[in-house]
Amino acid sequence: GAVVSQHPSWVICKSGTSVKIECRSLDFQATTMFWYRQFPKQSLMLMATSNEGSKATYEQGVEKDKFLINHASLTLSTLTVTSAHPEDSSFYICSARGLSYEQYFGPGTRLTVT
Amino acid sequence: GESVGLHLPTLSVQEGDNSIINCAYSNSASDYFIWYKQESGKGPQFIIDIRSNMDKRQGQRVTVLLNKTVKHLSLQIAATQPGDSAVYFCAERSGYSTLTFGKGTMLLVSP
Repeated sequence: GAVVSQHPSWVICKSGTSVKIECRSLDFQATTMFWYRQFPKQSLMLMATSNEGSKATYEQGVEKDKFLINHASLTLSTLTVTSAHPEDSSFYICSARGLSYEQYFGPGTRLTVT
Repeated sequence: GESVGLHLPTLSVQEGDNSIINCAYSNSASDYFIWYKQESGKGPQFIIDIRSNMDKRQGQRVTVLLNKTVKHLSLQIAATQPGDSAVYFCAERSGYSTLTFGKGTMLLVSP
């Protein structure tokens, strides 16, 4: 199947700093990418949907100025957590969808804010 | 047996048993359903899918059953192995909308 990668796989940052997470579709063109957040023992919660070249659409309750999403190419989307706080510590998972409408998931990024 | 934790229900089975994981969905317009397996610290892994024009689909050791009348989906795993221990999520989609995930069930397989 199609492969989606994320970098880094884990990151520790200090409170108040910003951190960027990359999501790449390795062998297909992703017209749409999704960003999810997952807290321990909970399900995946959709944060935002982005289409290549367009502004991301954020789910209710997700601050667009705090979670900056850029989908500049058909193979790369980035999520930047700005002014991170300990409550932003979570597992962030991206997903990519191509023309077939199949959705493929990345391996996730563990963010810990100290 | 099955128990409900703080957030995630847990199903405990013995190795070799058959496991049945259930999921109730809410959107009657959903026409595509997927089961995912998620191991600790990893992203969701596709297991099997089913479209609404079917009520059963079989894969290798797994079977998905769909009952649209009561909006219920189940995943059956035959001869469960310790490597099957993970959290299992159902997901639903209507047309080309985004996937909506269920709450998940943790499957614990004892040797």
